[in-house]
Amino acid sequence: DIVMTQSPLSLSVTPGEPASISCKSSQSLLHSNGNNYLDWYLQKPGQSPQLLIYLGSNRASGVPDRFSGSGSGTEFTLKISRVEAEDVGIYYCMQALQTPPNTFGGGTKVEIK
Amino acid sequence: QVQLEQSGAEVKKPGSSVKVSCKASGGTFRKYSFSWVRQAPGQGLEWMGGIIAVFGTTVYAQNFQGRVTITADESTSSAYMELRSLRSEDTAIYYCARVSVEMDIITARPYYFAMDVWGQGTTVTVSS
Repeated sequence: DIVMTQSPLSLSVTPGEPASISCKSSQSLLHSNGNNYLDWYLQKPGQSPQLLIYLGSNRASGVPDRFSGSGSGTEFTLKISRVEAEDVGIYYCMQALQTPPNTFGGGTKVEIK
Repeated sequence: QVQLEQSGAEVKKPGSSVKVSCKASGGTFRKYSFSWVRQAPGQGLEWMGGIIAVFGTTVYAQNFQGRVTITADESTSSAYMELRSLRSEDTAIYYCARVSVEMDIITARPYYFAMDVWGQGTTVTVSS
């Protein structure tokens, strides 16, 4: 199975400041069709996960434009341009290329200072 | 706007089975595909498998092979996940999610990605 490694494990951010989360995969997630099969999810406290970014860099419907995804192959980044209080939770990356199974990163907990 | 409503919490004995339902409303059921993901207490997310509703074709994570069955019933607009031979380590919240599926044009392998609508989760507790 592909191993997804996220860093940092946790992040404490001042509102209005940027934040960045790294996700590295043990194998390339780039398909010959040009898609990187990498999603980003946010699980807010006590809630179901929600999709933020799919195929590496596509923002899901309704996701604020302060969230962006980048990267290709084995290295990906989720960036929040200006963190807001509602962004607290655990962020997960998930690969969907070398499947089954899809595999998730261990998560990055984002807190507000 | 599709919504997914899951069945209620379950308490099961070791060795028994559980079947969790996921009812879709607000859309055309046969157009959808579903994945199931679980989360043990205080742990991360674990993908279990998925189904393309219109074909009924499934894929499962190797960890669950032989113990899990995912089905879809258009007549009830519901997807189901049955897990057998339960053990204490199966205690978790089980989520269904609508998912996008692309088929590899060469291998016909399905890629399940972009879980964009999630159910509220079903807590399954396995305890003697």
